[in-house]
Amino acid sequence: EVQLVQSGAEVKKPGESLSISCKGSGYSFTNYWIAWVRQMPGKGLEWMGSVYPGDSDTKYSPSFQGQVTVSADKSVSTAYLQWRSLKASDSAIYYCARHEDRFDPWGQGTLVTVSS
Amino acid sequence: SYVLTQPPSVSVAPGQTARMTCGGNNIGSNSVHWYQQKPGQAPVVVVYDNFDRPSGIPERFSGSNSGHTATLTISRVEVGDEADYYCQVWDSGSDHPDVVFGGGTKLTVL
Repeated sequence: EVQLVQSGAEVKKPGESLSISCKGSGYSFTNYWIAWVRQMPGKGLEWMGSVYPGDSDTKYSPSFQGQVTVSADKSVSTAYLQWRSLKASDSAIYYCARHEDRFDPWGQGTLVTVSS
Repeated sequence: SYVLTQPPSVSVAPGQTARMTCGGNNIGSNSVHWYQQKPGQAPVVVVYDNFDRPSGIPERFSGSNSGHTATLTISRVEVGDEADYYCQVWDSGSDHPDVVFGGGTKLTVL
């Protein structure tokens, strides 16, 4: 079974750094892009960026370029989404998904809360 | 950048047919994917590449795409179909290829 399992919920303060993870299993992790998608409270889905674990190639939405970093460690079949300095407006649920034009499957989501 | 427009809400009675649209400039030339998201859950693809269904998705779910409008149709709607539905394309035609989601349609089963 193809599966993506994400790290647990995080509570952070503004200005702190954060990395959340997404571990793939049941398929060849290096052969598919992994995407990150943001969902703010009560809002829709926003693609942030994608990483190709085979060669660590990345692509970003213009809206998120420079705001976050996507990466992957193929040795542990895990993709990451990182922030250097969180803002309150980064509070959201973040999903990873295997990305091959469509997004399938999705991880269970990671809730990030940024509050002073 | 490319924009996908979905009506915020659609309401239908159980057993009836729900049609949810996704408008975009010449969207018929793109592959459109549709996702169902129930409260507190991650999205799930219900139709991909305009009209294909993943295994496990009922035949009641179907898709079409032509001109400037893609449509997700749910026949014989059930209470369990109540969810938010999002369309998505990969906009490869611009200078900066971008994944685009529609704003989502909330399906209410009356």
